[in-house]
Amino acid sequence: ETGVTQTPRHLVMGMTNKKSLKCEQHLGHNAMYWYKQSAKKPLELMFVYNFKEQTENNSVPSRFSPECPNSSHLFLHLHTLQPEDSALYLCASSRSTGGQQYFGPGTRLTVT
Amino acid sequence: AQKVTQAQTEISVVEKEDVTLDCVYETRDTTYYLFWYKQPPSGELVFLIRRNSFDEQNEISGRYSWNFQKSTSSFNFTITASQVVDSAVYFCALSGGGGADGLTFGKGTHLIIQP
Repeated sequence: ETGVTQTPRHLVMGMTNKKSLKCEQHLGHNAMYWYKQSAKKPLELMFVYNFKEQTENNSVPSRFSPECPNSSHLFLHLHTLQPEDSALYLCASSRSTGGQQYFGPGTRLTVT
Repeated sequence: AQKVTQAQTEISVVEKEDVTLDCVYETRDTTYYLFWYKQPPSGELVFLIRRNSFDEQNEISGRYSWNFQKSTSSFNFTITASQVVDSAVYFCALSGGGGADGLTFGKGTHLIIQP
């Protein structure tokens, strides 16, 4: 069992680039999440997907675009990012309501 | 709105000392869940415990123990006989009881165990 995996682990991109972060869970869970962890703020919830449907968008700028093609995969598409978007992006999954969330190792994103 | 407060930004103790990490939460939900996660220098969040709002029994797991008190909206975490490997950032988190709610995290407490 490999749990929750994230690729790439590190990403450096310019402000005009378009890139995508990938998350995959092998736990049979139905809910998946994106979180942002930056140096100056606590861990922030970005998006929640439950059974492939987005159930929460925590006022995230449109330059971040999530995609959940199935319950095992979650993407975060990035375009025209700002330097302040540099952070650790963590993906998580859970089986059900209020359940334990399993986190991936994160993608360390640097926007130059 | 939900809120989690970890007032201790950083704690430094000498190995073998006991240490308590504080967590205070705010929520209007009657059903909710509380969590503690550990984040070592590698960055991955490691689950430690989940507690639902209807279960106020304290829990002990080896050197770790948790004290949940609804009356004071606190969910404190104690490490007994601390070890250098306990050095990490510890996060307290809260989720509501409806739907696949995401977690609301505190700012974390950086725990340093000195040999």
